[in-house]
Amino acid sequence: DSGVTQTPKHLITATGQRVTLRCSPRSGDLSVYWYQQSLDQGLQFLIQYYNGEERAKGNILERFSAQQFPDLHSELNLSSLELGDSALYFCASSLRDSSNQPQHFGDGTRLSIL
Amino acid sequence: DQQVKQNSPSLSVQEGRISILNCDYTNSMFDYFLWYKKYPAEGPTFLISISSIKDKNEDGRFTVFLNKSAKHLSLHIVPSQPGDSAVYFCAARGKTGRRALTFGSGTRLQVQP
Repeated sequence: DSGVTQTPKHLITATGQRVTLRCSPRSGDLSVYWYQQSLDQGLQFLIQYYNGEERAKGNILERFSAQQFPDLHSELNLSSLELGDSALYFCASSLRDSSNQPQHFGDGTRLSIL
Repeated sequence: DQQVKQNSPSLSVQEGRISILNCDYTNSMFDYFLWYKKYPAEGPTFLISISSIKDKNEDGRFTVFLNKSAKHLSLHIVPSQPGDSAVYFCAARGKTGRRALTFGSGTRLQVQP
């Protein structure tokens, strides 16, 4: 158990809809990262938050947004969903925003767009 | 442009033998490298890491080797066990700027009893 909790585990929805994925980081971790994994590929970085503030953006679409709340949990919002958004979405956390610290991952949310 | 490459999609070894998983990178600014193991329906689990100031790091049955001149790292598992069967991801992070990890596409290891 990594200590990172993601809900829900599965989401099935239709094109054009909006969903929210939730992540609770490990106790004490200030950094939260979101990654997308499509079709057994490697994980692609979407966005990072550190102590409530956006720190870095990766390949995140404009239809997607995220935030980190004062209790450090984070939400990833996906809107105007398309078939190609079907993927596994992982959240990871680390203690600080510095080098030489591994990120610890949740079990992911599997999003299926019908 | 794949900055981290795992060129072997799969690897099969016998129980008790050595498993060697390979990873190449192109970005010379990477200075911290990690290996993760992933079982189906679970998130990646951190295995072992290495800083660019070292060329070897060992943790039990797992050893990671880093060859900076060749921009190559490898994970050795000795002895391999059936429970090691999983997908292994290599990941890297730069010294400055973005702290997010850049992942390879993974290698599926199967350890035969």
